[in-house]
Amino acid sequence: DGGITQSPKYLFRKEGQNVTLSCEQNLNHDAMYWYRQDPGQGLRLIYYSQIVNDFQKGDIAEGYSVSREKKESFPLTVTSAQKNPTAFYLCASKGNLHGYTFGSGTRLTVV
Amino acid sequence: AQSVTQLDSHVSVSEGTPVLLRCNYSSSYSPSLFWYVQHPNKGLQLLLKYTSAATLVKGINGFEAEFKKSETSFHLTKPSAHMSDAAEYFCVVSADLDSSYTGIFGSGTRLLVRP
Repeated sequence: DGGITQSPKYLFRKEGQNVTLSCEQNLNHDAMYWYRQDPGQGLRLIYYSQIVNDFQKGDIAEGYSVSREKKESFPLTVTSAQKNPTAFYLCASKGNLHGYTFGSGTRLTVV
Repeated sequence: AQSVTQLDSHVSVSEGTPVLLRCNYSSSYSPSLFWYVQHPNKGLQLLLKYTSAATLVKGINGFEAEFKKSETSFHLTKPSAHMSDAAEYFCVVSADLDSSYTGIFGSGTRLLVRP
């Protein structure tokens, strides 16, 4: 079945560490997105990529980095520069004909 | 079970005229409802959300939506369209305020604004 796989589901990070969240899709979608969701709020866009080897900053890109070396993969790195990284992170993709497909999310906690 | 229907795939208005984007939902329980906007080559941005606190919800950029339980509707309106409003709009119904991503997304309404 086609879909998006995010891993890990739960991640704990010590302060000052970088961590990378994985996002893989087999839907052949060109566009991929990373969102952050905090309690009681909607989705906020971190980074997005419309095509391989290209990506753009979203509304809250500071402290994050991404890469898009393959169509299927769009990993997100949460760097030590991110002041408040504890959140729920969602990866999504979008094709031309269909709506959004979301991954199951990664809950990151800084300890 | 939940579902959401955006009644118009495209809406075209003149700049300065009112905007109405229609959304009907069905839900077995009291839902949370959201409107998101996506501008060309951008990601989703939350416009507003309904969480049962008030039936008339005000969002960003002058948009508002009214929850009408009797009509199972959550239509998005704006008194006066601006060129920058041209985008695609998604209505979402979810069981959980914190999980709009697991909710049901409508198929989207593309808003065109004519000069």
